[in-house]
Amino acid sequence: DGGITQSPKYLFRKEGQNVTLSCEQNLNHDAMYWYRQDPGQGLRLIYYSQIVNDFQKGDIAEGYSVSREKKESFPLTVTSAQKNPTAFYLCASKRKVMGGSVYNEQFFGPGTRLTVL
Amino acid sequence: GIQVEQSPPDLILQEGANSTLRCNFSDSVNNLQWFHQNPWGQLINLFYIPSGTKQNGRLSATTVATERYSLLYISSSQTTDSGVYFCAVDPPGANSKLTFGKGITLSVRP
Repeated sequence: DGGITQSPKYLFRKEGQNVTLSCEQNLNHDAMYWYRQDPGQGLRLIYYSQIVNDFQKGDIAEGYSVSREKKESFPLTVTSAQKNPTAFYLCASKRKVMGGSVYNEQFFGPGTRLTVL
Repeated sequence: GIQVEQSPPDLILQEGANSTLRCNFSDSVNNLQWFHQNPWGQLINLFYIPSGTKQNGRLSATTVATERYSLLYISSSQTTDSGVYFCAVDPPGANSKLTFGKGITLSVRP
């Protein structure tokens, strides 16, 4: 069954601790994305990666780090430098645009709710 | 960067009513998607529609790329249609990053 999985579904963290959120996809997509959503708000882009071993900062990258060692995996680390980490985190993926007319639909995982105690 | 505006911001319907949700964008786009975020937070893909009209059951969507807008139609609404509807666009040269609107919160009352 193809799709995007995120784990854990709920995560609790004490202040000052780093925590890593998992995102795995078996859709053979090149590009992967991390978004943050606060209550009642839209989605904000944290980091994205269009190819293995390469990634770029999004709009709110401060306090976060990522790695892309495998095509299928794009973990997000929320560091202690992130001042307000409590939020809903969504991972997404899609095929890399190669130019011209390319079907390029983006799909999302189920999300991880992070709460800092 | 490109601006995406969705209207109305909030919508309350009685079950069985029809509705139209609008998405305006400020520049040309490579593609446009509509998503429904359910009460558990999952974003469900509704339509991938850079242009033209598509239908899926009670839902349909139309994008007029030359006039820079898209419409999502919901007919015979059900309580399960409640949630937030997001429009997202993929502008040229944006390194394949979607730009999202702020969403439309729909509440369907029984």
